[in-house]
Amino acid sequence: KQEVTQIPAALSVPEGENLVLNCSFTDSAIYNLQWFRQDPGKGLTSLLLIQSSQREQTSGRLNASLDKSSGRSTLYIAASQPGDSATYLCAVFTSGTYKYIFGTGTRLKVLA
Amino acid sequence: NAGVTQTPKFQVLKTGQSMTLQCAQDMNHNSMYWYRQDPGMGLRLIYYSASEGTTDKGEVPNGYNVSRLNKREFSLRLESAAPSQTSVYFCASSSDRVGYGYTFGSGTRLTVV
Repeated sequence: KQEVTQIPAALSVPEGENLVLNCSFTDSAIYNLQWFRQDPGKGLTSLLLIQSSQREQTSGRLNASLDKSSGRSTLYIAASQPGDSATYLCAVFTSGTYKYIFGTGTRLKVLA
Repeated sequence: NAGVTQTPKFQVLKTGQSMTLQCAQDMNHNSMYWYRQDPGMGLRLIYYSASEGTTDKGEVPNGYNVSRLNKREFSLRLESAAPSQTSVYFCASSSDRVGYGYTFGSGTRLTVV
């Protein structure tokens, strides 16, 4: 059974810092992995989707990497801003299941 | 704006009451999903519909039923609400079965007393 873990559960950093959020999963037979952002009281917004054959994806200040064999993904945020404050969730699409399994998220606070 | 619309946004039910959560998307997506989000548990899939006319159970289907009314609409019904169903419910849709274009609604906060 696929399990997805995100550590740390919460993180506070000063504005301008580069930071890394971690996601690990137990079953490497994945189809893709997706990172989402959730603002308080809101739904989830897709940030980046990495196919199992890819090593990384970039969008603006965000860079997501995938190491399928070790069951890990990281989300790198460059030059963090207070507007980046949110909960970040990773979700793994396991082959043959047609569904995502979500981690519990990392709650990020960027201090001005 | 194109997207996923959920109604209602908030609801309080008494134990044993029934209700239907509505979800509609206007992106011509084939697949639709219902999740619940609980503190410390992450999002868990209740039911999904890979395409119009099909529905399948997710991780936590007990106590729920769904209807894929047409390509746009996917409803979630609680027949006899229980306090354990207090949660935030999210509907989502995607353009295919493997997650592309995954779009979430803004959620329904349900409290069962």
